[in-house]
Amino acid sequence: NAGVTQTPKFRILKIGQSMTLQCAQDMNHNYMYWYRQDPGMGLKLIYYSVGAGITDKGEVPNGYNVSRSTTEDFPLRLELAAPSQTSVYFCASSYYRVAGIDEQYFGPGTRLTVT
Amino acid sequence: AQTVTQSQPEMSVQEAETVTLSCTYDTSESDYYLFWYKQPPSRQMILVIRQEAYKQQNATENRFSVNFQKAAKSFSLKISDSQLGDAAMYFCAIDTPLVFGKGTRLSVIA
Repeated sequence: NAGVTQTPKFRILKIGQSMTLQCAQDMNHNYMYWYRQDPGMGLKLIYYSVGAGITDKGEVPNGYNVSRSTTEDFPLRLELAAPSQTSVYFCASSYYRVAGIDEQYFGPGTRLTVT
Repeated sequence: AQTVTQSQPEMSVQEAETVTLSCTYDTSESDYYLFWYKQPPSRQMILVIRQEAYKQQNATENRFSVNFQKAAKSFSLKISDSQLGDAAMYFCAIDTPLVFGKGTRLSVIA
């Protein structure tokens, strides 16, 4: 049971480039989430998904897109990278929507630098 | 909108001593969950303890306990018998959805 996996671990992008951050979970969780963590800050929710084919915006969705074609995968797409998107990105998953009922499991994070 | 405030950017504690990390929050919900997460240098987010708002009894997990004051909207974390491995960033959070504070960096002095 690998839990939540993220690739890549590190990436450097030039301004205007595009990339996809990959996230997969093998726990058959319904809910998946993308967060970003800026230096010296807590995590902020970018997008979340309640199941295959269903996604919704979080607190900071601008500049990102997501899709959920399978239960296991929840990729995050950056179309035109900007320096403001330099951050550490965390993917998470849970069986229930409310984190208190069932723990949210976090991936190891992807450190992205846009220069 | 729910908010979480951690007023202590950094704290330090001597090994084997006790330290308390502060957290206040704001919400219009009557039932909610509160959490403390630990983030060591590896960046992994580790759930330390959780508290459901309707439960009066403070949650405990081994050396970790909370002081939950619902009326004051306060949720502090007490770490007893501090160990070197406790050194990390600690984030307070409220659900749903998860909203995090800015964190407190805890150093443990041998």
